[in-house]
Amino acid sequence: QKEVEQDPGPLSVPEGAIVSLNCTYSNSAFQYFMWYRQYSRKGPELLMYTYSSGNKEDGRFTAQVDKSSKYISLFIRDSQPSDSATYLCAMSARDSGYSTLTFGKGTMLLVSP
Amino acid sequence: DVKVTQSSRYLVKRTGEKVFLECVQDMDHENMFWYRQDPGLGLRLIYFSYDVKMKEKGDIPEGYSVSREKKERFSLILESASTNQTSMYLCASTHGGAETQYFGPGTRLLVL
Repeated sequence: QKEVEQDPGPLSVPEGAIVSLNCTYSNSAFQYFMWYRQYSRKGPELLMYTYSSGNKEDGRFTAQVDKSSKYISLFIRDSQPSDSATYLCAMSARDSGYSTLTFGKGTMLLVSP
Repeated sequence: DVKVTQSSRYLVKRTGEKVFLECVQDMDHENMFWYRQDPGLGLRLIYFSYDVKMKEKGDIPEGYSVSREKKERFSLILESASTNQTSMYLCASTHGGAETQYFGPGTRLLVL
């Protein structure tokens, strides 16, 4: 079983739709969770960062972490064509002075006007 | 804003050539990382460094080496490029106590 599972998509939605992107993981030591957005042929950019369980909201974006289910989500409200990108989840378990991230393979989102 | 720059956006090299990919960050970050990204395989960690002259192997270090002589600069070296090293290479950096990594724009390398 891979450490982080993420549906590759593509996920196609009309403009204005609510989008739900998800990742599941197997390592219960993960406690830091991130979402990155990557436009075609660009580097990933940090979108959301959460520590442990709970929700975090930033504008149209909400990140949700359920550690008991080992499941994280990113919700996008009022989706826009400019949200079309690949979304990568990432997580880490700090066990020393430094840590590395484990990434999902990314979900491609297409928002049509 | 954190700025991570990579020396080239696109690079074409021949099999057997020695290839240098450079990454520079301007935020005094202690940790720097090199990844490659391939369709269907996602991001895979090649090497990382948590201090000057320090390096640690990631998940796929074979065929690569790295150099970190200055805090702001982290170089990835392909000693003898092969066609299976054709990929998108991404550099990232972060502070020592932080989890969130900041990425450069990537270098798309084609080895012929």
